[in-house]
Amino acid sequence: DIQMTQSPSSLSASLGDRVTITCRASQDIGNYLSWFQQKPGKSPRLMIYGATNLEDGVPSRFSGSRSGSDYSLTISSLESEDTAIYYCLQYDKYPRTFGGGTKLELK
Amino acid sequence: QVQLKESGPGLVQPSETLSLTCTVSGFSLTSNSVHWVRQPPGKGLEWMGIIRSGGSTDYNSALKSRLSISRDTSKSQVFLKMNSLQTEDTAIYYCLSRFAYWGQGTLVTVSS
Repeated sequence: DIQMTQSPSSLSASLGDRVTITCRASQDIGNYLSWFQQKPGKSPRLMIYGATNLEDGVPSRFSGSRSGSDYSLTISSLESEDTAIYYCLQYDKYPRTFGGGTKLELK
Repeated sequence: QVQLKESGPGLVQPSETLSLTCTVSGFSLTSNSVHWVRQPPGKGLEWMGIIRSGGSTDYNSALKSRLSISRDTSKSQVFLKMNSLQTEDTAIYYCLSRFAYWGQGTLVTVSS
């Protein structure tokens, strides 16, 4: 199975900060990587697919990038509504596998 | 619009079998896959399995021996069955399509 190693596991940042979360894949997954946002008591929300493509309705301050086997989710200017847990998912191979999650809080 | 809704028992006895139903609307099961994902309280997401538009399935390696996913396309329903439940199977169970459309989730507690 492909392992998705997500870092950091938690992150505290201030309003307006640039925030980056990373997932490293244990095998080549091409660009078959998605990012999800989950708020307390809610179902996950798809934010990014294909490593870099913004899902409809997602604010443009969110972006995704890839460097080799490292995939990143960046929030260019943190807003209060962005506090949540973020997960990556590889969907290149079965079984699909999620990263362990990053809890993003306001400082 | 696309909607998915999970239903099933909130409480299951240890060693028994879990049966969940996902009722979908706004799309056809013969044209779209449906996944199941679960989330233990306070923990991360775990992909469980998929039933594809053609009816074939794939499962999480760790659950494969206990898990079965099937469907009734005429009723727009997908079914999850997992046997030999233990307390560590306590989780919110989600059905979803294309990873863009998620159900609200249903909490299943395994306890005597």
